[in-house]
Amino acid sequence: EIVLTQSPATLSVSPGERATLSCRASQTITNNLAWYQQKPGQAPRLLIYAASTRASGIPARFSGSGSGTEFTLTISSLQSEDFALYYCQHYYILPWTFGQGTKVDFK
Amino acid sequence: QVQLQQWGAGLLKPSETLSLSCTVYGGSFSGYYWSWIRQSPGKGLEWIGEINHSGGTNFNPSLRGRVTISVDASKNQFSLKMSSMTAADTAVYYCARRGGIPIFDFWGQGTLVTVSS
Repeated sequence: EIVLTQSPATLSVSPGERATLSCRASQTITNNLAWYQQKPGQAPRLLIYAASTRASGIPARFSGSGSGTEFTLTISSLQSEDFALYYCQHYYILPWTFGQGTKVDFK
Repeated sequence: QVQLQQWGAGLLKPSETLSLSCTVYGGSFSGYYWSWIRQSPGKGLEWIGEINHSGGTNFNPSLRGRVTISVDASKNQFSLKMSSMTAADTAVYYCARRGGIPIFDFWGQGTLVTVSS
């Protein structure tokens, strides 16, 4: 199966700052990557798919980039509601797998 | 608006079988795959398997043999059974909709399943 490695495990950021999260795949997945946000006690919420396409209703401050094996999720100016866990997920081949997550918390 | 409502037993003893169901409200039931995903502190998010409205299935090989997923399209409902549960299967279990692109755009509320003697 394809392994996704996210870094860093925790990212400490101040509100208004830029956050950059990484996801690396163990083999090429072209652009078949999605990003999710999860808050405590809630199910994950789809943010980005096809590496860079925002899902419906997702603010423009969230952007994704990358292809092949290296991907990035950028939050341009962190709002208070953006402090959460973020996961990447590939859908290149079965089984679909997720990264272990990056926690974005207050600096 | 699509909503997924799941239910099932949350406390099991080792070797018992997990049984969860999920009903879909709103939107179309056909044309999608309906998935089960679990989340544990040790293993993060793990896709378990999926089924479409006509019964076509895909499973995670790591769990194949223990997992059964079934569908009742007349009720917009699908179900998960996982046998031989152990403490390692303790997790929050989610049902989710998977579109033509294999991304999960709608999720159930999650069910905490604890396996303990």
